[in-house]
Amino acid sequence: EVQLVESGGGLVQPGESLRLSCAASGFIFRDYDMSWVRQAPGRGLEWLSCISRSGTTTHYADSVEGRFTISRDNVKNSLYLQMNSLGAEDTAVYYCARGLSGNGPYWYFDLWGRGTLVTVSS
Amino acid sequence: DIQMTQSPSSLSASVGDRVTITCQASQDINNYLNWYQLKPGRAPKVLIYDASNLQTGVPSRFSGGGYGTDFTFTINNLQPEDIATYYCQQSDNLPITFGQGTRLEIK
Repeated sequence: EVQLVESGGGLVQPGESLRLSCAASGFIFRDYDMSWVRQAPGRGLEWLSCISRSGTTTHYADSVEGRFTISRDNVKNSLYLQMNSLGAEDTAVYYCARGLSGNGPYWYFDLWGRGTLVTVSS
Repeated sequence: DIQMTQSPSSLSASVGDRVTITCQASQDINNYLNWYQLKPGRAPKVLIYDASNLQTGVPSRFSGGGYGTDFTFTINNLQPEDIATYYCQQSDNLPITFGQGTRLEIK
């Protein structure tokens, strides 16, 4: 089955770190650019970061630049998000998403996981 | 950043109705506009890509249109299973940005 499964979420205190994982299966993981997207409670979707197929190119939203690091392991078919200096504003469901290029220079996301909840609270 | 303004923020309609959601970009994005359906506890699902292309497996009652800065998303013959929140997303430039979402309810 073609799927993405996120893990690693949980309750952390402000200032702490957390590492999210996304396990890919059913497709050739190394052939796709990947992204992380989150949804805070009562809020809309927010794109956070992307990584190229080889892992050599990454981009970040301003809201997480310098605090979050995206990476991937194409042998383990896994995507990661290292999150440091977490604050209450980072409380959200975090999704990994597979990017496809349509006509545009960037992606639409044709495959998503169900998400993992990160709660930052003291 | 490209701002995506989606309206309405919520919508109530009856089974069988036609429903239309609009999305306006703060600058010209050609047809690089995509639409998603989100249901609680489920993986988000792309319905339309590049403004008007129906994703494989998506029912034909869903459609999209527009170019430049103004886009529409339509559901014909609304079904109970269409209860969800819908988002537009631009793929013209980084950062990728989404509209604020439209929550659709059935009367």
